[in-house]
Amino acid sequence: DIVMTQSPDSLAVSLGERATINCKSSQSVLSSSNNKNFLAWYQQKPGQPPKLLIYWASTRESGVPDRFSGSGSGTDFTLTISSLQAEDVAVYYCQHYYSSPVTFGGGTKVEIK
Amino acid sequence: EVQLVESGGGLVQPGGSLRLSCAASEFTFSSYWMYWVRQAPGKGLVWVARINSDGSSTDYADSVKGRFTISRDNAKNTLYLQMNSLRAEDTAVYYCVRTNYYFDYWGRGTLVTVSS
Repeated sequence: DIVMTQSPDSLAVSLGERATINCKSSQSVLSSSNNKNFLAWYQQKPGQPPKLLIYWASTRESGVPDRFSGSGSGTDFTLTISSLQAEDVAVYYCQHYYSSPVTFGGGTKVEIK
Repeated sequence: EVQLVESGGGLVQPGGSLRLSCAASEFTFSSYWMYWVRQAPGKGLVWVARINSDGSSTDYADSVKGRFTISRDNAKNTLYLQMNSLRAEDTAVYYCVRTNYYFDYWGRGTLVTVSS
C-alpha cells in the first residue's frame, strides 16, 4: 500500500497570511500513461463530511476559491492557502488514487493564530 | 445537485449486524464506481469498500474483509454495506462516496457505534 505522510500535524496562521501543507507519498503517484499525478486534497470542517478541493494534484474543483492551490509531482505535494480566511479553519487531507487501495494522509489541522 | 444520503447507522452490540444504505440522486448512479469510507471519532479517513459501476467487482480493506459486503441496486439508485460480526473498532461515521478517480461527492455520513 502507498503510505501518505502529511506535515505538519497542525499549524496556526494569522488571518491573511499563507498556510502551507505538505504531503509525501511512499512511491510515485505520477502516471506515465497520462502524465497526471493521482493526488487529491480535501477539506473537512467540524461536523461536516470532507469536501474535494484539488484533484490531479493541481486542478481546483469548481467553486473552490482561488486562494487554494496545489502543486508538486511524483512523491512530493503541497497545498497552499495564499491568504487564510476565518472560514478556512479545518482539517486538510491528501489522498492518492493511483492504485488500490486508495489511502489518505493523517490530516493537518489549520487554525487561526 | 448530486445527493448521497446515508441511513441505517445506530448502536449495535459486538458481534451484531447492521445494513447501511446510501440513496443517490441527481446523477446517473449506474455510471459511477462507489466507495464506503469511515472515520473513527477524532481520527482520519479510511477506505472500507468499493464497488464498480455494474456491481460485478468489489474490493475491501483487510480490516473488514470477510465481515462486510458492499452491493448496489442500480434500478433503485442505492448503495449498501452489510456489516456482520461487528467489533468495537468498527465504531465510526460511515460515508458513502462517489468516485470519478478522485472522490468528488460525499454523503453526510451515518454513525455506527459498536458497544455493549
